[in-house]
Amino acid sequence: DAGVIQSPRHEVTEMGQEVTLRCKPISGHDYLFWYRQTMMRGLELLIYFNNNVPIDDSGMPEDRFSAKMPNASFSTLKIQPSEPRDSAVYFCASSAPLGANVLTFGAGSRLTVL
Amino acid sequence: AQSVTQPDIHITVSEGASLELRCNYSYGATPYLFWYVQSPGQGLQLLLKYFSGDTLVQGIKGFEAEFKRSQSSFNLRKPSVHWSDAAEYFCAVSLGTGYSTLTFGKGTMLLVSP
Repeated sequence: DAGVIQSPRHEVTEMGQEVTLRCKPISGHDYLFWYRQTMMRGLELLIYFNNNVPIDDSGMPEDRFSAKMPNASFSTLKIQPSEPRDSAVYFCASSAPLGANVLTFGAGSRLTVL
Repeated sequence: AQSVTQPDIHITVSEGASLELRCNYSYGATPYLFWYVQSPGQGLQLLLKYFSGDTLVQGIKGFEAEFKRSQSSFNLRKPSVHWSDAAEYFCAVSLGTGYSTLTFGKGTMLLVSP
């Protein structure tokens, strides 16, 4: 398996623009997580899905953030409009059924908002 | 709410020397415990995990960790550090029953000197 695949790896955009980050989880994994990593706050869980259904989005910072999982092999995290404080590395991770929280992470998408 | 404390932000160790990274958690029951490693520009990789049983667990790359219930600790150790071990190390915890998400510590950056 190719692991968790994220795109783009790097994104530089201007304030106010829409940003879409993409994730392909490992086939057969039924949990998918979006994390944000910053120097100040460390790793923060934004949202997670089980069987394509959002379970907990309490970590989503505000309405500018949204996430979808239209099928078992694809998820997006969208920021609209983007702001400089959204600059961070965004990680997607997935875990198997009954995987007891053993997460496999993607390589991350580094977002810079100017 | 559960929390994870990694008291050392940075640690420098000479190559060949032993290593211990500290992790303390705050939770009423015995949680599931994890150590992940993040190399520069990469996602997090699972080093080892503790669910139950033997309190000394072995992981990949020669790492081990010991769960000490009385101290609420799960310290990571390696007897002889290699230059390739330079990375950031994250301790994480989740509830020990049912399904719950991971809570990560802020991480410890390991620097290896020649």
